[in-house]
Amino acid sequence: DAMVIQNPRYQVTQFGKPVTLSCSQTLNHNVMYWYQQKSSQAPKLLFHYYDKDFNNEADTPDNFQSRRPNTSFCFLDIRSPGLGDAAMYLCATSRDLGSRRSDTQYFGPGTRLTVL
Amino acid sequence: AQKVTQAQTEISVVEKEDVTLDCVYETRDTTYYLFWYKQPPSGELVFLIRRNSFDEQNEISGRYSWNFQKSTSSFNFTITASQVVDSAVYFCALSEARDDKIIFGKGTRLHILP
Repeated sequence: DAMVIQNPRYQVTQFGKPVTLSCSQTLNHNVMYWYQQKSSQAPKLLFHYYDKDFNNEADTPDNFQSRRPNTSFCFLDIRSPGLGDAAMYLCATSRDLGSRRSDTQYFGPGTRLTVL
Repeated sequence: AQKVTQAQTEISVVEKEDVTLDCVYETRDTTYYLFWYKQPPSGELVFLIRRNSFDEQNEISGRYSWNFQKSTSSFNFTITASQVVDSAVYFCALSEARDDKIIFGKGTRLHILP
């Protein structure tokens, strides 16, 4: 089945220790998104890629970085996690409909990050 | 500006009852898309439906149905004969055709009691 895969499902890190979350997809979609979702809140977009073209949201902290080495994979790097970065991180993909429009977003199962 | 309002924060119903989740949206665009996603306790956001602004036909899929009314800017979701497995947070979302992002409502947490 075509799908969006996130590893690991649960990640524990220490305050200030860099952590990387990964996302892969078999849908061959060229748009990929990273969202942060805190408890009882809606997902909040951090950044997204059109192919390798990176688009950062204005209020995404500098602490959050991303890499997309190829169509299938995308990584979220948190350089110095703080207690406030504990959240569910969701990866999503969609087709590019051209002119910077995208189709329905399909989400992975998420990585729940705990910061000690 | 785009906006999605889900006024019901939390709803509890007894199994087999019907339940409607409300969604009201705001947009200045004439072309836009509306979505519903389900988020069970496992955390994954599951896509349920996408509707474009030119298609006001109601949709039914099994026990799920959606009522889209442009006149009231609403896109409500009804679950008929609810089941415990329907317990989840449901998000309504909006995307304008000229944009590549979706705006989520705050979600409605639905509890189906056995």
